[in-house]
Amino acid sequence: TQLLEQSPQFLSIQEGENLTVYCNSSSVFSSLQWYRQEPGEGPVLLVTVVTGGEVKKLKRLTFQFGDARKDSSLHITAAQPGDTGLYLCAGLTMNYGGATNKLIFGTGTLLAVQP
Amino acid sequence: DTGVSQDPRHKITKRGQNVTFRCDPISEHNRLYWYRQTLGQGPEFLTYFQNEAQLEKSRLLSDRFSAERPKGSFSTLEIQRTEQGDSAMYLCASSLGGQVFYGYTFGSGTRLTVV
Repeated sequence: TQLLEQSPQFLSIQEGENLTVYCNSSSVFSSLQWYRQEPGEGPVLLVTVVTGGEVKKLKRLTFQFGDARKDSSLHITAAQPGDTGLYLCAGLTMNYGGATNKLIFGTGTLLAVQP
Repeated sequence: DTGVSQDPRHKITKRGQNVTFRCDPISEHNRLYWYRQTLGQGPEFLTYFQNEAQLEKSRLLSDRFSAERPKGSFSTLEIQRTEQGDSAMYLCASSLGGQVFYGYTFGSGTRLTVV
């Protein structure tokens, strides 16, 4: 069974602070995505990382894919109240034919940024 | 295209009743996925379709659950003889399947409450 564990599970910080969310697995994934979800809505894609060691930046968000493609991290600089939400990592599985299969989601990190 | 639509947004039902949810994906997307999510947790995979073919079902999907995508467009998820443990958000997503992965587009979900 492929599992993605996220830490921390819950994070409450003040506006302007930095934070890092971790996503770990014992399985290798062909690619990994990060999503953000607000209450009552579906997850929205933030980024896709494909290559081991890859780093991508999206404004104040920095995403890194581990060298072995088993883990990832999300770093937010100078957090703002608008960053509040549930952050989800998701690993893409492949079928035997090499085509994309389905996403396995992590356990989630609930972030609350206080003004 | 208005994205992925799910109907209804909310459903309250009595234990033992049957319920059916509908998902309309993005028209060009050949893949359609159903996930179940409980509060503060990551979505759990239930099943997915490529066109009208149901390619995979999770072991989470008991005999009381059935999903269809009769013409490769919209999909329905039916739960028979609902139980309190079925209370959750049911999310639908669509994507373009194949060798390259573009990410999922999620609907806003159907929140089911079994009383």
